[in-house]
Amino acid sequence: EPEVTQTPSHQVTQMGQEVILRCVPISNHLYFYWYRQILGQKVEFLVSFYNNEISEKSEIFDDQFSVERPDGSNFTLKIRSTKLEDSAMYFCASSKGLGQETQYFGPGTRLLVL
Amino acid sequence: RKEVEQDPGPFNVPEGATVAFNCTYSNSASQSFFWYRQDCRKEPKLLMSVYSSGNEDGRFTAQLNRASQYISLLIRDSKLSDSATYLCVVNMDTGRRALTFGSGTRLQVQP
Repeated sequence: EPEVTQTPSHQVTQMGQEVILRCVPISNHLYFYWYRQILGQKVEFLVSFYNNEISEKSEIFDDQFSVERPDGSNFTLKIRSTKLEDSAMYFCASSKGLGQETQYFGPGTRLLVL
Repeated sequence: RKEVEQDPGPFNVPEGATVAFNCTYSNSASQSFFWYRQDCRKEPKLLMSVYSSGNEDGRFTAQLNRASQYISLLIRDSKLSDSATYLCVVNMDTGRRALTFGSGTRLQVQP
C-alpha cells in the first residue's frame, strides 16, 4: 500500500538555524499538506499545496515558513530561522483530490530546537 | 467555543467492552468528517470517514448528526490493540481542505 514518507525522522537544531523537512507524498496524489503537533497538543494545519502553489495557509504559517516541490516527488517545508516554539512533530499529508478528500499522513519529523 | 471539541478521557475499559466517543463541531457549514486514530508519538491514521447516513466498519460505527453538530464513534468488543487516542477531524469550510482536529480522546483497553 502506498505511503507518505518523511525524512529525517528526528532533527535537532539550534535556535536561529534553518531547517528543511522533506516529504514524498503518495505518487498519484495532487494535494499536499503540512501539519504540526506540539507535544501534548492537538494537530494543527499549516499549509496546503496544489499545482505548484500554496492553496491555503493558517496563521501559524508566517514568513519564516516556506514550502516547495523542487522535483516531481519531494515536497519540502523550510523554517528559515527556528525558534524554541517551533519544536514539534511535523506531519506531511497528501490527498488524491478530484473529490477524494481523505488525507494520508506520513510518520512525521520530530523537530527539537535548542 | 472550540472548533472541534472532544472529551479527553482517558476511557479505561476492559477487553470486550463497548465504548462510545462523542465530538461536537462549531461550524454548521462543515462538510467532511473523519475519525482518525493516533498511537503514542505516531502519525494520525484514518479510521473511517463519517457520512450523514451513518456508517459501519466491522466493530466500528460512526454517526453524524448535522442538526446538533455532533459526531460519534462506537467501538464494540474492544481489543487491547484498540488502545490509542481517537481524533475527531472536520473539514470546516466548503472549498477549503484544511482539516481541523480535536484534541483527541484517549482509550485504554485493559486485559
